[in-house]
Amino acid sequence: DVQLVESGGALVKPGGSLRLSCSTSGFAFSDAWLAWVRQAPGKGLEWVGRIKSAADNLTTDYAAALNGRFSLSRDDSKKTLYLEISSLSVGDTGLYYCATYGSARRFDHWGQGTLVTVSS
Amino acid sequence: IHMIQSPTSLSASVGDRVTIICRSSQGIGSWLAWYQQKPGRAPKVLISVASRLENGVPSRFRGRGSGTEFALTISSLQPEDFGTYYCQQGHSYPLTFGGGTRVEIK
Repeated sequence: DVQLVESGGALVKPGGSLRLSCSTSGFAFSDAWLAWVRQAPGKGLEWVGRIKSAADNLTTDYAAALNGRFSLSRDDSKKTLYLEISSLSVGDTGLYYCATYGSARRFDHWGQGTLVTVSS
Repeated sequence: IHMIQSPTSLSASVGDRVTIICRSSQGIGSWLAWYQQKPGRAPKVLISVASRLENGVPSRFRGRGSGTEFALTISSLQPEDFGTYYCQQGHSYPLTFGGGTRVEIK
């Protein structure tokens, strides 16, 4: 079975930084394109970014509104995806999901999410 | 690309036919996926490439459309179909979701 398990969510102060992790199993991680999607409390889904496979040059794309504060990376040997977030603000509060981004251009497998709370 | 869903919410009875509309601000071909999200759960993909039913998704779910206008139809609403439905375009970056349609069972 495909599994994605996020971790690293925490309560952080505005201006702080955080690294989220997504540990995976059950699929060919090194071939997969991976993404983060976030959801503010009571709000809709917002795409954060996507990282391609090494075969596709680890190309990353990000949502424009994130102002360069987010960085995706991956460790294929550990089958783990990462999201580093800097200069956190209250607006970054929410549940952060990792997901696989399949060939049909949809998010086909999702984790359960990890909660980031930004508050002073 | 902005994705606009309508209605934002609906309430229907078991057995009703329900349709959710998703419009894109520019043409996206058929690069449109639909998701269902239940409270406290991660989204689940129902349909990709506008009309392709994902494995295990009941056949009462049907997607159609291309270009800028798309629809998700549930032919006979079931009690387990409650939740929020989202469309997502995969045509170009940044990837974007619609605002969601909350479906309530009367």
